[in-house]
Amino acid sequence: ETGVTQSPTHLIKTRGQQVTLRCSSQSGHNTVSWYQQALGQGPQFIFQYYREEENGRGNFPPRFSGLQFPNYSSELNVNALELDDSALYLCASSLTGTGNYGYTFGSGTRLTVV
Amino acid sequence: GDSVTQMEGPVTLSEEAFLTINCTYTATGYPSLFWYVQYPGEGLQLLLKATKADDKGSNKGFEATYRKETTSFHLEKGSVQVSDSAVYFCALFTGTASKLTFGTGTRLQVTL
Repeated sequence: ETGVTQSPTHLIKTRGQQVTLRCSSQSGHNTVSWYQQALGQGPQFIFQYYREEENGRGNFPPRFSGLQFPNYSSELNVNALELDDSALYLCASSLTGTGNYGYTFGSGTRLTVV
Repeated sequence: GDSVTQMEGPVTLSEEAFLTINCTYTATGYPSLFWYVQYPGEGLQLLLKATKADDKGSNKGFEATYRKETTSFHLEKGSVQVSDSAVYFCALFTGTASKLTFGTGTRLQVTL
């Protein structure tokens, strides 16, 4: 089975710009979650998508938005980038109802905002 | 709200030493507990899990026991190797929140 793949692996953007990060979920998984991991910190939950709808959101402003597609892949969009948005963005997939058995994470996209 | 507290690192050990990384949690409901490992430049890998009290998760020589009475899930390994050098994250999941809540991570460095 394929794992979770994310693209791009690295990205440099200028403050105020917009960015789109992409994620393909593991085969058989129908739920995608996004996490932000700042340097030296644990991952923080951004939001989760199930059946193409947002199904839970962490403490992130509306300029963080997402999409889930019929094939369960997902995008994370961030508008009006700020320097503090520099982080590793992790995508995780799971099968709804089995979150308590763990998520499968991708390798992440390293975003640097300058 | 839910929270996870891990011992601060870095933890530096010699190869074959015994490892303990402490983790305690606060949660509403009955969480599942996890340890994830992150190698340099990579994402998170699930190391082990326990879904109910007194369960012991184990993998690759690592173990952790879900202790409801002390709200703890300490990670242990009897003999660490250089290849175990990584950052270890304790995390919990509750169906109520439908998300993983992570600790801040503990960096382990194993030397020869």
